[in-house]
Amino acid sequence: EDKVVQSPLSLVVHEGDTVTLNCSYEVTNFRSLLWYKQEKKAPTFLFMLTSSGIEKKSGRLSSILDKKELFSILNITATQTGDSAVYLCARTMDSNYQLIWGAGTKLIIKP
Amino acid sequence: EAQVTQNPRYLITVTGKKLTVTCSQNMNHEYMSWYRQDPGLGLRQIYYSMNVEVTDKGDVPEGYKVSRKEKRNFPLILESPSPNQTSLYFCASSLNPSGGAYEQFFGPGTRLTVL
Repeated sequence: EDKVVQSPLSLVVHEGDTVTLNCSYEVTNFRSLLWYKQEKKAPTFLFMLTSSGIEKKSGRLSSILDKKELFSILNITATQTGDSAVYLCARTMDSNYQLIWGAGTKLIIKP
Repeated sequence: EAQVTQNPRYLITVTGKKLTVTCSQNMNHEYMSWYRQDPGLGLRQIYYSMNVEVTDKGDVPEGYKVSRKEKRNFPLILESPSPNQTSLYFCASSLNPSGGAYEQFFGPGTRLTVL
């Protein structure tokens, strides 16, 4: 089945901790995998990954794609309360421009 | 300011009463899309459009219609709304993804309640 599965569904950590969020999918042929952050409003773009093994980095956030094992991870180091959000991943289809989204990981950072 | 706007932001309506949610972007983006977001289900794509007069079904198109007569506008039409269409709706746009541009800009959302 054509699904994107994110884990964990929710996560509570303390400020300063490092977190790893997972996104797995079930097909081998697709163009891109995307990560978005959603606070109490619309999602905002974080990363687009197209090639396996190449890390994308932005400040304390980084992400990598493993096309062989069919997953991606999003790492956040030295977490801050402002990182509290729902993190969404999505993958593109190979045959068209539809996007398939995971249900998201709700991350709560305690001070 | 570059943005995607949606109207209305909040709407309570009754079953069967036709409604339209407007979406407009000022970034000259080719790709536009409608999503609904429900608790525990994440975002589900309803329809998307690669350009004027080109629309395609997403995951959950049943009960919805769209049109793309102008590049900047992509209205979502519910001809006969039902309670199971109660949801948070987002419009989004991006440059042409055929060139790899998948960074989507989202509108603020429309919270629809169908009684």
